[in-house]
Amino acid sequence: DGGITQSPKYLFRKEGQNVTLSCEQNLNHDAMYWYRQDPGQGLRLIYYSQIVNDFQKGDIAEGYSVSREKKESFPLTVTSAQKNPTAFYLCASSDVGTGTAYGYTFGSGTRLTVV
Amino acid sequence: GENVEQHPSTLSVQEGDSAVIKCTYSDSASNYFPWYKQELGKRPQLIIDIRSNVGEKKDQRIAVTLNKTAKHFSLHITETQPEDSAVYFCAAKWQNTPLVFGKGTRLSVIA
Repeated sequence: DGGITQSPKYLFRKEGQNVTLSCEQNLNHDAMYWYRQDPGQGLRLIYYSQIVNDFQKGDIAEGYSVSREKKESFPLTVTSAQKNPTAFYLCASSDVGTGTAYGYTFGSGTRLTVV
Repeated sequence: GENVEQHPSTLSVQEGDSAVIKCTYSDSASNYFPWYKQELGKRPQLIIDIRSNVGEKKDQRIAVTLNKTAKHFSLHITETQPEDSAVYFCAAKWQNTPLVFGKGTRLSVIA
């Protein structure tokens, strides 16, 4: 079953802890993205990567970090510097083309709650 | 950078009526405009998209129109059904840049 898998589905973080959200895809997509979703705020870009070992900050990167060591994987770490991390986190992937644009395939999301 | 405005934020329609959601974008270079449907607690799913070389695209009860001059695009759902109830997001991008999303429209179809 080709697709993009996020885990865990639910995650609870204590104050001061770092947590890592997993995102794996078997679609052979070059680009991967992390978005944060809050009620009424739409989807806001955290980080994205268009090639292995390279990634760029999005609009709300502060308090987050990523790595892209393999094409299939793009984990997101929510650090203790992120003061309001409670949100729904969505990972997505897409092809990258020359002179054309492609849409996303989304994972099923991770709901992170600070306890 | 690109900015996408979406209206209305909530929309209620009677079953069988039409629903229209409108988006405007700021970057005239944007050339790809998808629409996503997100049911409660689920992932966004692509329902239709349009590229800048096309003015209108239809898929059964769903259509999207694009006005490049005015920099706006709209989603039209005809003969709405209760299962159309969801949050709808528009988005825009240029080639390989990341998608920029609108803030979403919560559509309720009342039976």
